[in-house]
Amino acid sequence: QKEVEQNSGPLSVPEGAIASLNCTYSDRGSQSFFWYRQYSGKSPELIMSIYSNGDKEDGRFTAQLNKASQYVSLLIRDSQPSDSATYLCAVIINSGGSNYKLTFGKGTLLTVNP
Amino acid sequence: DTGVSQDPRHKITKRGQNVTFRCDPISEHNRLYWYRQTLGQGPEFLTYFQNEAQLEKSRLLSDRFSAERPKGSFSTLEIQRTEQGDSAMYLCASIKKGTGDYGYTFGSGTRLTVV
Repeated sequence: QKEVEQNSGPLSVPEGAIASLNCTYSDRGSQSFFWYRQYSGKSPELIMSIYSNGDKEDGRFTAQLNKASQYVSLLIRDSQPSDSATYLCAVIINSGGSNYKLTFGKGTLLTVNP
Repeated sequence: DTGVSQDPRHKITKRGQNVTFRCDPISEHNRLYWYRQTLGQGPEFLTYFQNEAQLEKSRLLSDRFSAERPKGSFSTLEIQRTEQGDSAMYLCASIKKGTGDYGYTFGSGTRLTVV
């Protein structure tokens, strides 16, 4: 089982709709969860972090975390064409001893159609 | 604070040649990470340093790869005898120890193409 799994998509939504991106992770001990946005040819950009169960809202973005189900999601409300990008779920995972590192899923390609 | 800087942005090399990339972290960040990202995949961890000590290496890092961080400042990643499978984006990130839970900030990356 991969440590962080995402539906690879692609996901296509019309402008103004809600885009829903999902992620599961394998390490029950993980405490820190992130969503990165990556435009084609660019490096990943951190857009959301979440640490506690429940929802965290930032503008049009809402991150949701359910540690019991080992599930993280990102909702994008009122999607805009400029939101078209790959969204990467990332989790801080213990890789042994005192080594912790950010571990990524494969990413979900989102296209918002005007 | 100019962010994490990587050089070069793009590199095209012939198979079998050696290449070296450089990463300048945010000043005072004592941890530095290297990741590799191939098309359609998320970034994959390669190695990380705390100050000048290399603390962990992925098994992705074959013996053709070597990374250094002399004096705990900038870091270099060298690939010897490049292969076409090495074509990827190489990403660098830095954090201050203990702040990893706030997420990593990446540099712009170095895109390597091996022909």
